Amino acid sequence: EVQLVESGGGLIQPGGSLRLSCAASGFIVSSDYMGWVRQAPGKGLDWVSVIYSGGSTYYGDSVKGRFTISRDNSKNTVYLQMNSLRAEDTAVYYCARKGSSGWYFEYWGQGTLVTVSS
Amino acid sequence: EIVMTQSPATLSVSPGERVTLSCWASQSVSSNLAWYQQKPGQAPRVLIYGASTRATGIPARFSGSGSGTEFTLTISSLQSEDFAVYYCQQYNNWPITFGQGTRLEIK
Repeated sequence: EVQLVESGGGLIQPGGSLRLSCAASGFIVSSDYMGWVRQAPGKGLDWVSVIYSGGSTYYGDSVKGRFTISRDNSKNTVYLQMNSLRAEDTAVYYCARKGSSGWYFEYWGQGTLVTVSS
Repeated sequence: EIVMTQSPATLSVSPGERVTLSCWASQSVSSNLAWYQQKPGQAPRVLIYGASTRATGIPARFSGSGSGTEFTLTISSLQSEDFAVYYCQQYNNWPITFGQGTRLEIK
């Protein structure tokens, strides 16, 4: 059974850094395609970043240069390092696995809340 | 960036009714479109991908159609558990983009 469990969210001051983790089970992240999607309170879905099985990474314009996606194959875990955080980064961050037929998201974690506030 | 527009923003319907949700893309996305359902406090769940293919475990009352720039999600007979927010998403071009959502509420 595929499971994704996010952790690492919390309250952080503007300009601070935070690292989110997504522990996967039921499949091997290094052989698959993973992404992060966020949702600001009461708002819609916003794609953040993806990592390909080969290691290539892509980012949305709003986070490019500030966020870094990576993975630890030994822990079967994907990470999102978030630097220079802004109030507008406040959101629930979901880890998700790419679908078998394209870049939709077939499996999602439960999400972790990041609040950027002083 | 491809802009996805959903209509209407909110739809009030009664259980048992047939409902159609619309999604438009600012340029062609071929059939690379997915629909998601999201209930309060939960992660989104994929319903449809490839514009018309039901995801695993999705009831047959959900159907998707369209290609290019115009897409629809139809729920043939609304059940109580279907009241939620529905999002479309294109994955034809980077960046991946979502519509702003349609909320189905009980009439």
